[in-house]
Amino acid sequence: LAKTTQPISMDSYEGQEVNITCSHNNIATNDYITWYQQFPSQGPRFIIQGYKTKVTNEVASLFIPADRKSSTLSLPRVSLSDTAVYYCLVGDRYTGGFKTIFGAGTRLFVKA
Amino acid sequence: GAVVSQHPSRVICKSGTSVKIECRSLDFQATTMFWYRQFPKQSLMLMATSNEGSKATYEQGVEKDKFLINHASLTLSTLTVTSAHPEDSSFYICSARDSQLANTEAFFGQGTRLTVV
Repeated sequence: LAKTTQPISMDSYEGQEVNITCSHNNIATNDYITWYQQFPSQGPRFIIQGYKTKVTNEVASLFIPADRKSSTLSLPRVSLSDTAVYYCLVGDRYTGGFKTIFGAGTRLFVKA
Repeated sequence: GAVVSQHPSRVICKSGTSVKIECRSLDFQATTMFWYRQFPKQSLMLMATSNEGSKATYEQGVEKDKFLINHASLTLSTLTVTSAHPEDSSFYICSARDSQLANTEAFFGQGTRLTVV
């Protein structure tokens, strides 16, 4: 299993850009990198997924260097509602599907 | 996007009774679903992988006779917590992937808050 390491928590202010970096030194060739967001008492919500280089969607960007041993989730201009736990996951291929294993996650606190 | 629905969202039961939690994929088929448990301030812990038409695969340390999983159709998996005790109180979450698409993300249900009194 490709283990992930993230900062335990981060603080930010409204309107700032937030970058959360995840280390996954043992990532396998076929593994994808996926980020989820979780609010209290809710299931995780998909944010973004990538394999290499850069991926951007309407809510975030994901930067993956050439060696793929880390990735950075970038949230532009955060708001108070972005306060949540963010999980970095690496796809573990399992009998044709993915067994999604969660690390500790990063608690982001956005202040006014 | 794809939707996974869990029911109930909250349940309170007496110690010693059993509780069934349903997980449905509403607009896609899922041959595989996953069940997680999450304690306060902690990450999600994978309990088992539910396989349509066959036995579930349990993670190490998870009692298969206590947490019964049934995946009878391509859109429904159930988790039954048997003889529940207060220490089983937790947030249970299921997820599913679209069986017909490769390398797609997992979609998660909204979770079920179980309180055993």
